[in-house]
Amino acid sequence: AQSVTQPDIHITVSEGASLELRCNYSYGATPYLFWYVQSPGQGLQLLLKYFSGDTLVQGIKGFEAEFKRSQSSFNLRKPSVHWSDAAEYFCAVEVRSNDYKLSFGAGTTVTVRA
Amino acid sequence: DVKVTQSSRYLVKRTGEKVFLECVQDMDHENMFWYRQDPGLGLRLIYFSYDVKMKEKGDIPEGYSVSREKKERFSLILESASTNQTSMYLCASRTPGIQRGYTFGSGTRLTVV
Repeated sequence: AQSVTQPDIHITVSEGASLELRCNYSYGATPYLFWYVQSPGQGLQLLLKYFSGDTLVQGIKGFEAEFKRSQSSFNLRKPSVHWSDAAEYFCAVEVRSNDYKLSFGAGTTVTVRA
Repeated sequence: DVKVTQSSRYLVKRTGEKVFLECVQDMDHENMFWYRQDPGLGLRLIYFSYDVKMKEKGDIPEGYSVSREKKERFSLILESASTNQTSMYLCASRTPGIQRGYTFGSGTRLTVV
């Protein structure tokens, strides 16, 4: 069965420090991968996506993610975190069987301390 | 850009009521989805639709049904609401092709009392 795992439920990081959020997937074919962010009380916003080509993907708000096929991973990074990055982050995989659907990880909550 | 609109931001319903959650997209997309979001569980797929009158069960369809009579509108129905259906419900629409992606509505916070 296809699945998406975000191993870290909660991460606390200091403002200005780097951030890395982990995502592992279990899926037979080459996946289409997404990272979304949800700020408190807000909807889901797409940060970036990977379909093919260059395995390092740039997104909005200074985020990037790297696809590693050998590790079945799609980790999200940001070199220097701002207080406004405090949010919940979701990794998702587009699953293709009879049709398309998006399967999500359980999410990682990021707290930013001053 | 795609706009996905959920008709209600907050709803409070009584146990046993029939509840309708409405979702509308403005790009003539074929694929639409209903998810529920609960702390620690992420987003779980309830139902999805790939065309008018076509629907498929997601991972947690029990207690729910859906309706898609027009391409732009996808409704989630709780036949007899129960307290364990208190949750945040999110609708999404899929953009195909090169611009492939999923756009989400702002969500409906449903409380069943």
